[in-house]
Amino acid sequence: DSGVTQTPKHLITATGQRVTLRCSPRSGDLSVYWYQQSLDQGLQFLIQYYNGEERAKGNILERFSAQQFPDLHSELNLSSLELGDSALYFCASSGGQDGTEAFFGQGTRLTVV
Amino acid sequence: SQQGEEDPQALSIQEGENATMNCSYKTSINNLQWYRQNSGRGLVHLILIRSNEREKHSGRLRVTLDTSKKSSSLLITASRAADTASYFCATDHYNQGGKLIFGQGTELSVKP
Repeated sequence: DSGVTQTPKHLITATGQRVTLRCSPRSGDLSVYWYQQSLDQGLQFLIQYYNGEERAKGNILERFSAQQFPDLHSELNLSSLELGDSALYFCASSGGQDGTEAFFGQGTRLTVV
Repeated sequence: SQQGEEDPQALSIQEGENATMNCSYKTSINNLQWYRQNSGRGLVHLILIRSNEREKHSGRLRVTLDTSKKSSSLLITASRAADTASYFCATDHYNQGGKLIFGQGTELSVKP
């Protein structure tokens, strides 16, 4: 158990809808990262927050947004969903803001139908 | 794409044999990490090697790093059926926050 909790584990929704994925980092970790894993794109970095502030941004679509709350949990919001958004979404956390070991949650499997 | 490359894409060996996976990357790194993923589950950190290190060991794992060739290898010795998983290298680059760039992974199958 990595100590990172993601909910829900599975999500099935229709095109055009909006969903929110939630992540609770390991106790004490200030950085939260979001990654998307799909068969064609592999593991892609989406965004990082450190202690409530955006720290780094990857190829995150404009339809996607994230935030980190004062209690350090994070949410990833995906809107106007398309079939191609179907993927595994991972949250990870680490203690520092740069380049340390990351601890991954079990992921949320999103299926857009 | 900044993504690194791994080879082989798939590797099938017998229990007890050694498994070697290779990773190449494109730009200078701060460190390189290896992760393991069991089918569709979360990634588990295996080992981190810094840019000023050349070799690192952890149990049955040995990682090497050649920054002049921008490549790394992961050796798993005396493999077990439980080592069956996908293995990913991930690079951390300067001034990129904590962003990790993952390779495409090597799917390892260890047959009992």
